[in-house]
Amino acid sequence: QQQVKQSPQSLIVQKGGISIINCAYENTAFDYFPWYQQFPGKGPALLIAIRPDVSEKKEGRFTISFNKSAKQFSLHIMDSQPGDSATYFCAAGGNNQGGKLIFGQGTELSVKP
Amino acid sequence: DAGVTQSPTHLIKTRGQQVTLRCSPKSGHDTVSWYQQALGQGPQFIFQYYEEEERQRGNFPDRFSGHQFPNYSSELNVNALLLGDSALYLCASSPWSGNGYTFGSGTRLTVV
Repeated sequence: QQQVKQSPQSLIVQKGGISIINCAYENTAFDYFPWYQQFPGKGPALLIAIRPDVSEKKEGRFTISFNKSAKQFSLHIMDSQPGDSATYFCAAGGNNQGGKLIFGQGTELSVKP
Repeated sequence: DAGVTQSPTHLIKTRGQQVTLRCSPKSGHDTVSWYQQALGQGPQFIFQYYEEEERQRGNFPDRFSGHQFPNYSSELNVNALLLGDSALYLCASSPWSGNGYTFGSGTRLTVV
């Protein structure tokens, strides 16, 4: 019940294309769903986050879509750039988790010029 | 404004030894969480400290212990190191009342 499943494991997208990464969770008590971006040798950096009272959140080229009934959420990166090449992690947590986050396995994104 | 600072950045230890990793949280943050990230995996929650007490613990053995100091900085101690403890250890700070983690760059621990 504590798992967060992320797919795909790796993704190759052409510059200017749309990158889509999907996550699914089981615990309905989760109420905070962030996405993190991690470059080699660095710690994860918060990209965008959503709470289940909205179905979509957009910040610049990054959009989270949230489907509460399906217990799924996804990250869309519009107009993907080579600088977006990194590993992306979804996570889930909430107030009842005491701030603890459960992370997905990660998606290695490569944007080709 | 400094973010989360971790030291050392890299460390090589021998199986059976003990190690201490250190973390200084972001200014204004009073809660520190530690995560273990194995190669090619997502971070896994070890434990969280607030007001100098362990508030929550993940599925890690007692060989993993920690401490938080009055200035909110924190240490992670691992005893009787195993080869499987080789990983990137991440410290994340946040305000107790919020979900906004800031991660450090981590300490890369290699056990040989």
